[in-house]
Amino acid sequence: QVQLVESGGGVVQPGKSLRLSCAASGFTFGSNAMHWVRQAPGRGLEWVAFISYEGSIKYYADSVKGRFAISRDNSKNTLYLQVNSLRAEDTAVYYCAKDLSTHYSCDYWGQGTLVTVSS
Amino acid sequence: QSALTQPPSASGSPGQSVTIPCTGTSSDVGGYNFVSWYQHHPGKAPKLMIYEVSKRPSGVPDRFSGSKSGNTASLTVSGLQAEDEADYYCSSYADSRWVFGGGTKLTVL
Repeated sequence: QVQLVESGGGVVQPGKSLRLSCAASGFTFGSNAMHWVRQAPGRGLEWVAFISYEGSIKYYADSVKGRFAISRDNSKNTLYLQVNSLRAEDTAVYYCAKDLSTHYSCDYWGQGTLVTVSS
Repeated sequence: QSALTQPPSASGSPGQSVTIPCTGTSSDVGGYNFVSWYQHHPGKAPKLMIYEVSKRPSGVPDRFSGSKSGNTASLTVSGLQAEDEADYYCSSYADSRWVFGGGTKLTVL
């Protein structure tokens, strides 16, 4: 079955960086686009970034553009999110999600990894 | 402020039906038939319930249905069951980005 397992979260000071990872299994990772979505405490879901199946197309939310970078290693079945210049408002659970190809939806999600930005 | 507008709460008794609206603009909900609905039990992974406005993934009960009129999409849950109590989020594709609603907490009375 499809499994997505995020890791790399933690407590980090404002201005610092982290790299989040998402290990995928149970499907052909290299044939599927992927997303990162986050949820701040007490808030709703917020789409963060998208990457195409081969990595050539990347989209970002305005709130993270220029600070976050999505990437993937299809040989390792792993999705990444490099988060730089972190702000308090980036505190959230970060989910990776598999794209339902051509349908512009996310059909499988991980359990998330918590990033806390605090001094 | 979320890009799509949902009521913060909705409720119904077991067996009843409830409809959750999701209002956007012509740049998102009204401009594309790519509206999705997700069920989220806190602490768990969100689950896709509806995609492309009204299509159900395999395994989602037909008690869940979706529709759209203009800039407003809706999720209807019929025959409410206790396990339907959760947060529900709408989402729409919007030209190289995706937008979510603020979420609706559905309570089964």
